[in-house]
Amino acid sequence: DIQMTQSPSSMSASLGDRVTITCRASQDIGNYLSWFQQKPGKSPRRMIYGATNLAAGVPSRFSGSRSGSDYSLTISSLESEDMAIYYCLQSIQYLTFGSGTKLEIK
Amino acid sequence: QVTLKESGPGILQPSQTLSLTCTFSGFSLSTYGMGVGWIRQPSGKGLEWLANIWWDDDKYYNPSLKNRLTISKDTSNNQAFLKITNVDTADTATYYCARALYYYDGTYYYDWFAYWGQGTLVTVSS
Repeated sequence: DIQMTQSPSSMSASLGDRVTITCRASQDIGNYLSWFQQKPGKSPRRMIYGATNLAAGVPSRFSGSRSGSDYSLTISSLESEDMAIYYCLQSIQYLTFGSGTKLEIK
Repeated sequence: QVTLKESGPGILQPSQTLSLTCTFSGFSLSTYGMGVGWIRQPSGKGLEWLANIWWDDDKYYNPSLKNRLTISKDTSNNQAFLKITNVDTADTATYYCARALYYYDGTYYYDWFAYWGQGTLVTVSS
């Protein structure tokens, strides 16, 4: 089974900060990695697909990148509406979500 | 416009079978490349993928739950279904359905879960 280790589990940052969340895959998953945002009481929203592709309607301050087996979601300048839990999803072998990163605003 | 909506029993007792329905619009599960997945989330916890079904009736299950899951579809009524047998309190969760897409753009891709339903809360309790 492929494990996705997501870090940090929680973090707080100030408005305007650059924020990075990471998922590390236990096996090679190529670019079969998506990122989802979930706000309290809401369904998840896909933000990034194919590791680096911005989903339609997602603000350009969000970006995805890959370095080896590490996949990152970066918010270039944090806004208050970005407070949420973020999950990665690998899709090369069945589907496995990361454990989530709770992002709070300082 | 793609929409999905889950429905379920709300509450059921341990050892019973959970039956969930996903009613969708804006796409058809008889169209090449279309799929529906089920994902659940216990309160305050993370997301867990359960199963997918595709336009060609191909089915995939989470290996850790495979023996208890059955996914199916009714293309005429734009519905997908999930059954979970022998439930216990650990199956208490919000259950979501979401659209998946298999498409060709120079190479073949999967587009996972661009559209989600609102979720339905299922509580297992005696």
